[in-house]
Amino acid sequence: KAGVTQTPRYLIKTRGQQVTLSCSPISGHRSVSWYQQTPGQGLQFLFEYFSETQRNKGNFPGRFSGRQFSNSRSEMNVSTLELGDSALYLCASSLTGRPNADTQYFGPGTRLTVL
Amino acid sequence: GQNIDQPTEMTATEGAIVQINCTYQTSGFNGLFWYQQHAGEAPTFLSYNVLDGLEEKGRFSSFLSRSKGYSYLLLKELQMKDSASYLCAVRATDSWGKLQFGAGTQVVVTP
Repeated sequence: KAGVTQTPRYLIKTRGQQVTLSCSPISGHRSVSWYQQTPGQGLQFLFEYFSETQRNKGNFPGRFSGRQFSNSRSEMNVSTLELGDSALYLCASSLTGRPNADTQYFGPGTRLTVL
Repeated sequence: GQNIDQPTEMTATEGAIVQINCTYQTSGFNGLFWYQQHAGEAPTFLSYNVLDGLEEKGRFSSFLSRSKGYSYLLLKELQMKDSASYLCAVRATDSWGKLQFGAGTQVVVTP
């Protein structure tokens, strides 16, 4: 079974631009979670989607948004990019995302550099 | 909220054993995960504990004490490829799809 895939793998943008990242979960997984990883803050939870609905959200500004499609693929968008948004963006999929079950499996990430 | 603490770095020689400790504070514990992350790569799942006790999986074992808010990951017969960051992550009862991660422990295996 194929793992979690993310595109693109690398991205360079300039301040003020916007960016869209894509994540395809493991086949059969319906929950997709997004994380930001930086050397200073580690892995920080952004949001989680299930059945095209956002069920949980971390403490990030409104510039960070996401959505999920009917085939469980998910995208996240960052508008008005800032230098501090440079990070590795990871998505993780699980069967249901229920708090008492499921293991999350991570994709390879998208390395975003903001100049 | 949640606080998760683990050592920043540990060094050990090939063939040795290393124990990575993780302490946590959370309102509503619902499981603890260990992930391995090599530089520039995705975290890969190693183990999951939700009940007290030891879970063994090959060279890796993980222990949990819920009353003490404490877990450890034991790596036996260390190999050079085990050089990586090891992440402790906690799931809370009310957190759909969310894991709270520690900062990670960088393990350096020397010949």
